[in-house]
Amino acid sequence: AAGVIQSPRHLIKEKRETATLKCYPIPRHDTVYWYQQGPGQDPQFLISFYEKMQSDKGSIPDRFSAQQFSDYHSELNMSSLELGDSALYFCASSWNQGIQETQYFGPGTRLLVL
Amino acid sequence: AQSVTQLDSQVPVFEEAPVELRCNYSSSVSVYLFWYVQYPNQGLQLLLKYLSGSTLVKGINGFEAEFNKSQTSFHLRKPSVHISDTAEYFCAVSSSGSARQLTFGSGTQLTVLP
Repeated sequence: AAGVIQSPRHLIKEKRETATLKCYPIPRHDTVYWYQQGPGQDPQFLISFYEKMQSDKGSIPDRFSAQQFSDYHSELNMSSLELGDSALYFCASSWNQGIQETQYFGPGTRLLVL
Repeated sequence: AQSVTQLDSQVPVFEEAPVELRCNYSSSVSVYLFWYVQYPNQGLQLLLKYLSGSTLVKGINGFEAEFNKSQTSFHLRKPSVHISDTAEYFCAVSSSGSARQLTFGSGTQLTVLP
């Protein structure tokens, strides 16, 4: 079965640079979530989109922005990168059925900021 | 607000022995509960979930969990572990409200010893 696709899988940037992470949800899924997992930490919710509109916002820095496009893929844009942004960034997708739907996670993008 | 507490950060156990990974949650509203597994350098894979109905939930790889509302717990169990079960296990909760993002516990590293 098709899974959530994230690209790139690994990314190395320098401080103050920008980065764009992409997420392609499972076909027919209409909701995308972004999570950040720092080294040795649990995943923290950043932001989510349902039907191309932002649905919830968590601990996402103002330097980050995200959107969901007409084909339901999503991009997380990160500017003025800091060392502390080094983390594993997960995207998850789900199909909003009106009840708590299951979130399926992608393999993650590992970002290293030097 | 909701939170998740995983009481054990590390659980070593011998192969073929039973294991229980503990998870307690707090929430002011009804919750949905999940267990995810993360193998080294990989994404999060759903093990099982509790949405409603029977409080004993069976998942993949022989794992099961029991929802105990009075004790606000959702402990994960397996009667006989294998070396391949060595991984990080995350308990997660989401509320029954409109916000669907997951709140994760800090994780439990299960190490199965030969």
